[in-house]
Amino acid sequence: QSVLTQPPSVSAAPGQKVTISCSGSSSNIGNNYVSWYQQLPGTAPKLLIYENNKRPSGIPDRFSGSKSGTSATLGITGLQTGDEADYYCGTWDSSLSAGGVFGGGTKLTVL
Amino acid sequence: QVTLKESGPVLVKPTETLTLTCTVSGFSLSNARMGVSWIRQPPGKALEWLAHIFSNDEKSYSTSLKSRLTISKDTSKSQVVLTMTNMDPVDTATYYCARILDYVAFDIWGQGTMVTVSS
Repeated sequence: QSVLTQPPSVSAAPGQKVTISCSGSSSNIGNNYVSWYQQLPGTAPKLLIYENNKRPSGIPDRFSGSKSGTSATLGITGLQTGDEADYYCGTWDSSLSAGGVFGGGTKLTVL
Repeated sequence: QVTLKESGPVLVKPTETLTLTCTVSGFSLSNARMGVSWIRQPPGKALEWLAHIFSNDEKSYSTSLKSRLTISKDTSKSQVVLTMTNMDPVDTATYYCARILDYVAFDIWGQGTMVTVSS
């Protein structure tokens, strides 16, 4: 059972837009930055979004992030078949362990 | 170029202790802005944060696994070591190390190392 809650799957057609939600609490998302990771099949996760809405160098602006209260959202526009992957949200938790926490992951299917 | 690479046994027996090493390059473990975490992923399942260590030797562990984990670093060797005691088949997973930048995000990940726990 992951600390952060994500939908198990989302799907959309090529060229369309999709959003992935991530829900937490005041001890994690509510008081910390959210990051998003893309995991292509058989590979290690890759940082997509950090500090809620910033993109590392090399990440296209088709990917965007936002946060409101204890929830965050990843948006992907202009979907491509190469975007098919698992997406994870992550943040820090200020409670017991004061460590990292992740969502359960969302499988994106580009139909 | 910043890289992290995990190494360790592919197979361990139940009750044994697992020792994994993360060798980093392209940055120093003494950099105040950076730390290293261990994160694992059982086959077909989600990511699970295990532990982290920062340049000032600050450490933190997953609440559920705290009694079994120890993280340490050797700055001169650019290595971070994770030990996990009393291994069980449910600990079968790919274990990743990742750099933490500014206590904000895991910006660079290793390729991961698959560990199977079986007799």
